[in-house]
Amino acid sequence: GESVGLHLPTLSVQEGDNSIINCAYSNSASDYFIWYKQESGKGPQFIIDIRSNMDKRQGQRVTVLLNKTVKHLSLQIAATQPGDSAVYFCAENHPYGGATNKLIFGTGTLLAVQP
Amino acid sequence: GAGVSQSPSNKVTEKGKDVELRCDPISGHTALYWYRQSLGQGLEFLIYFQGNSAPDKSGLPSDRFSAERTGGSVSTLTIQRTQQEDSAVYLCASSLAGLTYEQYFGPGTRLTVT
Repeated sequence: GESVGLHLPTLSVQEGDNSIINCAYSNSASDYFIWYKQESGKGPQFIIDIRSNMDKRQGQRVTVLLNKTVKHLSLQIAATQPGDSAVYFCAENHPYGGATNKLIFGTGTLLAVQP
Repeated sequence: GAGVSQSPSNKVTEKGKDVELRCDPISGHTALYWYRQSLGQGLEFLIYFQGNSAPDKSGLPSDRFSAERTGGSVSTLTIQRTQQEDSAVYLCASSLAGLTYEQYFGPGTRLTVT
């Protein structure tokens, strides 16, 4: 079946290091991908997105890379800070005939930043 | 401006009771989504409203679950005859469908069925 999954359920990094969170997707028809950050007790918060016609997009301290050949998505966080500690979800959009924009979420990766 | 709001923030109910969860989307957002998130899990899509179109109910887990959206704004998710497995955080999101896929999430309602 279709799925979005994460390679690493937990990632522990030292403050100041770069973090890389990976995600695999299985639907080659997906045309849009998003990374969300969810802090404890809060709803997911948008970080960055990328469309399938791109392979890289940069934001503030974050970069998303898309490799459509191997259906792989990654989120890179530069100079990781304690405030980055959260669960990170990748999500893909399944274009159901253009009638529905439905995001399918992965199970999440917990990023723990050590001081 | 105001984000997506949900109420109540926490709800404890007895098995077999009905519950109603409310979502106020961002003003002007035509698309509204409900998700369920179990402890330590990802987000499970439940239902999607877009403007005046028929809602996409493909994610509702059983006929005990229903949702409505009045006046294209506020939405209510109703769970009838609650079961313990319904315990989860219920998240609502809204978006400017057709212009962007980005969904803005509310803080969620934590439902506990005892």
